[in-house]
Amino acid sequence: GAGVSQSPSNKVTEKGKDVELRCDPISGHTALYWYRQRLGQGLEFLIYFQGNSAPDKSGLPSDRFSAERTGESVSTLTIQRTQQEDSAVYLCASSLDSSYNEQFFGPGTRLTVL
Amino acid sequence: RKEVEQDPGPFNVPEGATVAFNCTYSNSASQSFFWYRQDCRKEPKLLMSVYSSGNEDGRFTAQLNRASQYISLLIRDSKLSDSATYLCVVNTGSARQLTFGSGTQLTVLP
Repeated sequence: GAGVSQSPSNKVTEKGKDVELRCDPISGHTALYWYRQRLGQGLEFLIYFQGNSAPDKSGLPSDRFSAERTGESVSTLTIQRTQQEDSAVYLCASSLDSSYNEQFFGPGTRLTVL
Repeated sequence: RKEVEQDPGPFNVPEGATVAFNCTYSNSASQSFFWYRQDCRKEPKLLMSVYSSGNEDGRFTAQLNRASQYISLLIRDSKLSDSATYLCVVNTGSARQLTFGSGTQLTVLP
């Protein structure tokens, strides 16, 4: 079946612009995660959605970052007033129901802020 | 102290060698443990889950020591295709999220 998909695959933007990143999880997966990975660094947790529960936003680095998910489907990560330090690969993952299960990752969106 | 710490690496080993990676975690309530593999400029992919009794998958063996809060991954008969970054991943006591180690880079040399 189809895996996790993300779009766009690459995004180049100017400092101060807003960007929106999209994630389509695997059908039937109730849990969805966003991570950030800077060049040469490890994965940094951003936000977690589980079904209709309130999302865990504890990893969002600033109020410029927000994410939404409608039900158990598509999620969007929005970064407002982008800064150069936002440049990274943004990875989305989904799992069957919780972090006790394997997470399947999308290919990521490579964001470059000029 | 980091929640999940790994060998810093990098490891450069010849083909056919046996190599072991170690990982320690700080939360004694952690329930789930995994090794992921990440190739250069690619997304992480699950290599194997780690079970309490230890488990083996072909050339790969994972061990868990709860008393010492320690996980290991052993790769036997290394192949060139094993070259990647290996990520130790732990459920840190909450059902909500996994914590990823910073990874250990492995290069298998011909």
